[in-house]
Amino acid sequence: DGGITQSPKYLFRKEGQNVTLSCEQNLNHDAMYWYRQDPGQGLRLIYYSQIVNDFQKGDIAEGYSVSREKKESFPLTVTSAQKNPTAFYLCASRKGAPNEKLFFGSGTQLSVL
Amino acid sequence: GENVEQHPSTLSVQEGDSAVIKCTYSDSASNYFPWYKQELGKGPQLIIDIRSNVGEKKDQRIAVTLNKTAKHFSLHITETQPEDSAVYFCAARDVTGGGNKLTFGTGTQLKVEL
Repeated sequence: DGGITQSPKYLFRKEGQNVTLSCEQNLNHDAMYWYRQDPGQGLRLIYYSQIVNDFQKGDIAEGYSVSREKKESFPLTVTSAQKNPTAFYLCASRKGAPNEKLFFGSGTQLSVL
Repeated sequence: GENVEQHPSTLSVQEGDSAVIKCTYSDSASNYFPWYKQELGKGPQLIIDIRSNVGEKKDQRIAVTLNKTAKHFSLHITETQPEDSAVYFCAARDVTGGGNKLTFGTGTQLKVEL
């Protein structure tokens, strides 16, 4: 089945630790995105990438980093500089212009120990 | 950039009634408006979308209307069923920076009661 796979489903971070969230897609989509979701709030864009080896900051990039070495993969690292990392993280992908439809993975819940 | 406001934040209806969720956007250049449904612990799923050259779109019990002049769009669900209970998000495509980003509303928790 084609889709977007996020792992792990649950992740715990200790003080001062970097953690990496995985996102893989086999839809042959060009663009990939990371959103953060907090209770009662909308989805806020962290980073996005339109092609391999290129990515742009979203609205809340501070404390996060990404890489796009392969078309299928767009991992997100939550660094120790992110002081409030507890949230539900969603990865999404899009085929590319002119197709605007965005497809989401099932999310990773990150909590601080 | 784009700013999207969504109302109400919670909505409770009786099974079989209609539900309406409204969103407004700020950038008159925005041209694509999707709606997503998110069930507990899952990622959002696209349920319907509309482009700015269309005023209304329907898919079975779901419809979306767009008023470009007023910069608002709405989701209409008729004959609601318990499985419609979820959080619904509206979004607008941000046309700055190449138009590759979606800006989301804050969500509406819909509860369909028996």
